[in-house]
Amino acid sequence: QQQVKQSPQSLIVQKGGISIINCAYENTAFDYFPWYQQFPGKGPALLIAIRPDVSEKKEGRFTISFNKSAKQFSLHIMDSQPGDSATYFCAAKATSYGKLTFGQGTILTVHP
Amino acid sequence: GAVVSQHPSRVICKSGTSVKIECRSLDFQATTMFWYRQFPKQSLMLMATSNEGSKATYEQGVEKDKFLINHASLTLSTLTVTSAHPEDSSFYICSARDLGQPQHFGDGTRLSIL
Repeated sequence: QQQVKQSPQSLIVQKGGISIINCAYENTAFDYFPWYQQFPGKGPALLIAIRPDVSEKKEGRFTISFNKSAKQFSLHIMDSQPGDSATYFCAAKATSYGKLTFGQGTILTVHP
Repeated sequence: GAVVSQHPSRVICKSGTSVKIECRSLDFQATTMFWYRQFPKQSLMLMATSNEGSKATYEQGVEKDKFLINHASLTLSTLTVTSAHPEDSSFYICSARDLGQPQHFGDGTRLSIL
């Protein structure tokens, strides 16, 4: 029940296209859903996060869509750029539990 | 913004030696620090959680005598891999957070045991 399932494992997008990564969870106690971006040899960096009281959050080219009833959330990267090529992790946390549960990761490649 | 500094970034050592990795929060108080391990092309696996001044809480399957964690101040936590062996080679990442704030991650330490 602590799992967060992420798909796809890898994604190839042309420059200017939209990248979409999906995550699903089981634990209804989760109340914080961040997305992290990780470049090779670096630690993850917080990209954007959402709480279940809203269905969408946008920051620049990055948007999280959240569907509470389906227990799913997704990251949309608009106008994808080669510099967005990285591994993306979704995560979830229950405030009372305190620990992040990570998805399996998606390797995004944006071709110029 | 919140910065977590991890040192060293890379270490290579012989089998049987002990290795210490430092994790510092540079501009905030880290009431809680986390240590993760990441294998190539895999997700982050939480090893342990530590609160300042308390003993670390280890995840199931993580040997606490092998991976010693100290969180003696609000800005510093250390992970010591004792009697390291080749199977301990991995990418170790720390993260830190203050109460009610998001976690911020260090840039990781690539540990290679020969």
